[in-house]
Amino acid sequence: EAGVAQSPRYKIIEKRQSVAFWCNPISGHATLYWYQQILGQGPKLLIQFQNNGVVDDSQLPKDRFSAERLKGVDSTLKIQPAKLEDSAVYLCASSLDRGRVGTEAFFGQGTRLTVV
Amino acid sequence: DQQVKQNSPSLSVQEGRISILNCDYTNSMFDYFLWYKKYPAEGPTFLISISSIKDKNEDGRFTVFLNKSAKHLSLHIVPSQPGDSAVYFCAAARGGNKLVFGAGTILRVKS
Repeated sequence: EAGVAQSPRYKIIEKRQSVAFWCNPISGHATLYWYQQILGQGPKLLIQFQNNGVVDDSQLPKDRFSAERLKGVDSTLKIQPAKLEDSAVYLCASSLDRGRVGTEAFFGQGTRLTVV
Repeated sequence: DQQVKQNSPSLSVQEGRISILNCDYTNSMFDYFLWYKKYPAEGPTFLISISSIKDKNEDGRFTVFLNKSAKHLSLHIVPSQPGDSAVYFCAAARGGNKLVFGAGTILRVKS
Protein backbone atom coordinates (compact mmCIF):
# COMPACT_ATOMS: atom_id res chain seq x y z
CA GLU A 1 0.00 0.00 0.00
CA ALA A 2 1.48 3.34 -1.03
CA GLY A 3 1.85 5.90 1.72
CA VAL A 4 1.01 9.59 1.86
CA ALA A 5 2.93 11.43 -0.85
CA GLN A 6 4.05 15.03 -0.47
CA SER A 7 5.98 17.41 -2.69
CA PRO A 8 8.27 19.20 -2.73
CA ARG A 9 10.48 17.85 0.06
CA TYR A 10 12.27 21.15 0.55
CA LYS A 11 11.51 24.75 -0.37
CA ILE A 12 13.37 27.98 0.28
CA ILE A 13 11.62 31.27 -0.48
CA GLU A 14 11.98 34.90 0.40
CA LYS A 15 9.48 36.56 2.71
CA ARG A 16 6.43 37.96 0.96
CA GLN A 17 6.69 35.33 -1.78
CA SER A 18 4.07 32.65 -2.25
CA VAL A 19 4.47 28.88 -2.05
CA ALA A 20 2.29 25.81 -2.55
CA PHE A 21 2.54 22.28 -1.23
CA TRP A 22 0.90 19.19 -2.64
CA CYS A 23 -0.35 16.06 -0.92
CA ASN A 24 -1.75 12.78 -2.21
CA PRO A 25 -3.28 10.73 0.62
CA ILE A 26 -3.50 6.97 0.93
CA SER A 27 -6.08 5.61 -1.49
CA GLY A 28 -9.52 5.37 0.08
CA HIS A 29 -8.75 7.62 3.04
CA ALA A 30 -11.59 10.06 3.46
CA THR A 31 -9.91 12.36 5.97
CA LEU A 32 -6.93 14.53 5.13
CA TYR A 33 -5.00 16.77 7.50
CA TRP A 34 -2.39 19.48 7.12
CA TYR A 35 -0.12 20.00 10.11
CA GLN A 36 2.56 22.60 10.76
CA GLN A 37 5.55 21.52 12.83
CA ILE A 38 7.85 24.28 14.01
CA LEU A 39 11.29 23.18 15.18
CA GLY A 40 11.18 21.88 18.74
CA GLN A 41 7.39 21.65 18.84
CA GLY A 42 4.80 19.00 18.12
CA PRO A 43 2.71 19.09 14.95
CA LYS A 44 -0.14 21.61 15.05
CA LEU A 45 -3.29 21.01 13.00
CA LEU A 46 -3.93 23.67 10.37
CA ILE A 47 -6.89 22.18 8.53
CA GLN A 48 -8.84 18.92 8.37
CA PHE A 49 -10.88 17.75 5.38
CA GLN A 50 -13.52 15.06 5.27
CA ASN A 51 -13.69 14.13 1.59
CA ASN A 52 -13.66 17.58 -0.04
CA GLY A 53 -15.34 19.46 2.82
CA VAL A 54 -13.56 21.36 5.60
CA VAL A 55 -14.13 19.91 9.07
CA ASP A 56 -11.82 22.13 11.09
CA ASP A 57 -9.74 25.12 10.03
CA SER A 58 -9.83 26.98 13.34
CA GLN A 59 -6.03 27.24 13.53
CA LEU A 60 -5.43 28.14 9.89
CA PRO A 61 -4.19 31.76 9.46
CA LYS A 62 -6.74 32.53 6.81
CA ASP A 63 -5.28 35.89 5.90
CA ARG A 64 -2.32 34.14 4.29
CA PHE A 65 -2.97 30.40 4.25
CA SER A 66 -5.44 28.58 2.03
CA ALA A 67 -6.08 24.93 1.29
CA GLU A 68 -8.28 22.95 -1.01
CA ARG A 69 -9.08 19.35 -1.68
CA LEU A 70 -10.78 19.13 -5.01
CA LYS A 71 -12.58 15.87 -5.83
CA GLY A 72 -11.89 14.64 -2.31
CA VAL A 73 -8.51 13.14 -3.14
CA ASP A 74 -5.30 15.17 -3.29
CA SER A 75 -4.86 18.54 -1.68
CA THR A 76 -2.81 21.72 -1.93
CA LEU A 77 -1.81 24.12 0.83
CA LYS A 78 -0.80 27.64 -0.16
CA ILE A 79 0.89 30.44 1.72
CA GLN A 80 0.69 33.95 0.29
CA PRO A 81 2.54 36.04 1.33
CA ALA A 82 5.00 34.06 3.43
CA LYS A 83 6.48 35.37 6.66
CA LEU A 84 9.67 34.38 8.43
CA GLU A 85 7.65 32.63 11.16
CA ASP A 86 6.14 30.29 8.56
CA SER A 87 9.44 28.41 8.44
CA ALA A 88 8.46 24.91 9.49
CA VAL A 89 7.82 21.39 8.26
CA TYR A 90 4.38 21.02 6.72
CA LEU A 91 3.00 17.55 7.21
CA CYS A 92 0.11 16.00 5.38
CA ALA A 93 -1.69 13.03 6.92
CA SER A 94 -4.70 10.92 6.07
CA SER A 95 -6.97 8.54 7.91
CA LEU A 96 -9.59 6.06 6.89
CA ASP A 97 -12.54 7.49 8.76
CA ARG A 98 -13.32 10.49 10.90
CA GLY A 99 -15.53 10.33 13.94
CA ARG A 100 -14.63 6.78 14.76
CA VAL A 101 -12.47 6.28 17.82
CA GLY A 102 -9.43 4.25 17.03
CA THR A 103 -8.58 5.69 13.65
CA GLU A 104 -4.93 6.63 13.44
CA ALA A 105 -3.53 9.11 10.98
CA PHE A 106 -0.72 8.21 8.56
CA PHE A 107 1.78 10.92 7.77
CA GLY A 108 3.79 11.85 4.72
CA GLN A 109 7.48 12.79 4.90
CA GLY A 110 6.65 16.49 5.02
CA THR A 111 7.83 19.60 3.21
CA ARG A 112 10.50 21.64 4.95
CA LEU A 113 9.89 25.32 4.24
CA THR A 114 12.53 27.93 4.95
CA VAL A 115 11.53 31.58 4.60
CA VAL A 116 14.49 33.97 4.37
CA ASP B 1 -3.10 26.37 25.49
CA GLN B 2 -1.05 23.19 25.72
CA GLN B 3 -3.57 20.42 26.14
CA VAL B 4 -0.96 17.69 25.76
CA LYS B 5 2.38 18.01 27.52
CA GLN B 6 5.54 16.00 27.36
CA ASN B 7 7.66 17.52 30.09
CA SER B 8 10.86 15.62 29.37
CA PRO B 9 12.58 16.99 26.24
CA SER B 10 14.99 14.07 26.17
CA LEU B 11 15.73 10.69 27.68
CA SER B 12 18.85 8.54 27.52
CA VAL B 13 18.68 4.81 28.22
CA GLN B 14 21.10 1.91 28.01
CA GLU B 15 20.38 -0.80 25.46
CA GLY B 16 18.35 -3.63 26.99
CA ARG B 17 16.89 -1.47 29.74
CA ILE B 18 13.38 -0.07 29.98
CA SER B 19 12.48 3.28 28.44
CA ILE B 20 9.57 5.15 30.00
CA LEU B 21 8.17 8.16 28.21
CA ASN B 22 5.53 10.25 29.93
CA CYS B 23 2.67 12.43 28.77
CA ASP B 24 0.09 14.54 30.59
CA TYR B 25 -3.13 16.01 29.23
CA THR B 26 -5.60 18.56 30.50
CA ASN B 27 -8.77 17.94 28.46
CA SER B 28 -10.88 15.26 30.14
CA MET B 29 -12.93 14.91 26.92
CA PHE B 30 -10.07 13.17 25.10
CA ASP B 31 -11.05 9.56 24.49
CA TYR B 32 -8.23 8.22 22.36
CA PHE B 33 -4.49 8.46 22.82
CA LEU B 34 -1.66 7.60 20.48
CA TRP B 35 2.10 7.47 20.39
CA TYR B 36 4.01 8.33 17.24
CA LYS B 37 7.69 7.83 16.52
CA LYS B 38 9.64 10.16 14.26
CA TYR B 39 13.05 9.70 12.68
CA PRO B 40 14.93 12.69 11.20
CA ALA B 41 13.67 13.83 7.80
CA GLU B 42 10.67 11.52 8.00
CA GLY B 43 7.05 12.01 8.97
CA PRO B 44 5.73 10.63 12.26
CA THR B 45 4.78 6.96 12.16
CA PHE B 46 2.06 5.45 14.29
CA LEU B 47 3.35 3.25 17.10
CA ILE B 48 0.58 2.29 19.51
CA SER B 49 -2.73 3.62 20.79
CA ILE B 50 -5.17 3.24 23.66
CA SER B 51 -8.83 4.00 24.08
CA SER B 52 -10.03 5.76 27.22
CA ILE B 53 -12.03 2.67 28.19
CA LYS B 54 -8.79 0.76 28.75
CA ASP B 55 -5.86 1.31 31.07
CA LYS B 56 -3.26 -0.75 29.24
CA ASN B 57 -2.45 -1.79 25.71
CA GLU B 58 0.49 -3.94 24.72
CA ASP B 59 2.12 -4.58 21.36
CA GLY B 60 5.36 -6.53 21.45
CA ARG B 61 8.00 -4.48 23.23
CA PHE B 62 5.70 -1.47 23.54
CA THR B 63 3.11 -0.96 26.25
CA VAL B 64 1.00 2.13 26.84
CA PHE B 65 -0.56 2.80 30.22
CA LEU B 66 -3.41 5.24 30.79
CA ASN B 67 -4.30 6.75 34.16
CA LYS B 68 -7.47 8.75 33.55
CA SER B 69 -7.79 10.09 37.08
CA ALA B 70 -4.30 11.58 36.83
CA LYS B 71 -4.73 12.51 33.15
CA HIS B 72 -1.46 10.78 32.48
CA LEU B 73 -0.20 8.20 30.04
CA SER B 74 3.13 6.55 29.58
CA LEU B 75 4.89 4.47 26.96
CA HIS B 76 7.13 1.64 28.10
CA ILE B 77 9.67 0.10 25.74
CA VAL B 78 11.21 -3.16 26.97
CA PRO B 79 13.91 -4.00 26.10
CA SER B 80 15.15 -0.78 24.51
CA GLN B 81 17.15 -1.12 21.30
CA PRO B 82 19.41 1.39 19.50
CA GLY B 83 16.89 1.49 16.63
CA ASP B 84 14.35 2.91 19.04
CA SER B 85 16.32 6.16 19.13
CA ALA B 86 13.90 8.74 17.74
CA VAL B 87 11.52 11.51 18.78
CA TYR B 88 8.36 10.20 20.41
CA PHE B 89 5.16 12.23 20.25
CA CYS B 90 2.15 11.70 22.44
CA ALA B 91 -1.17 12.67 20.83
CA ALA B 92 -4.78 12.80 21.99
CA ALA B 93 -8.11 12.99 20.19
CA ARG B 94 -11.78 13.42 21.01
CA GLY B 95 -14.36 11.42 19.12
CA GLY B 96 -12.05 10.71 16.22
CA ASN B 97 -11.44 14.37 15.60
CA LYS B 98 -8.16 16.23 15.29
CA LEU B 99 -5.08 14.91 16.98
CA VAL B 100 -3.46 17.24 19.50
CA PHE B 101 0.25 16.56 19.85
CA GLY B 102 2.74 17.08 22.62
CA ALA B 103 6.13 18.67 21.92
CA GLY B 104 7.91 15.34 21.79
CA THR B 105 10.63 13.54 23.73
CA ILE B 106 13.97 12.63 22.16
CA LEU B 107 14.91 9.09 23.13
CA ARG B 108 18.53 7.99 22.83
CA VAL B 109 19.29 4.33 23.37
CA LYS B 110 22.99 3.76 23.97
CA SER B 111 24.65 0.51 22.97
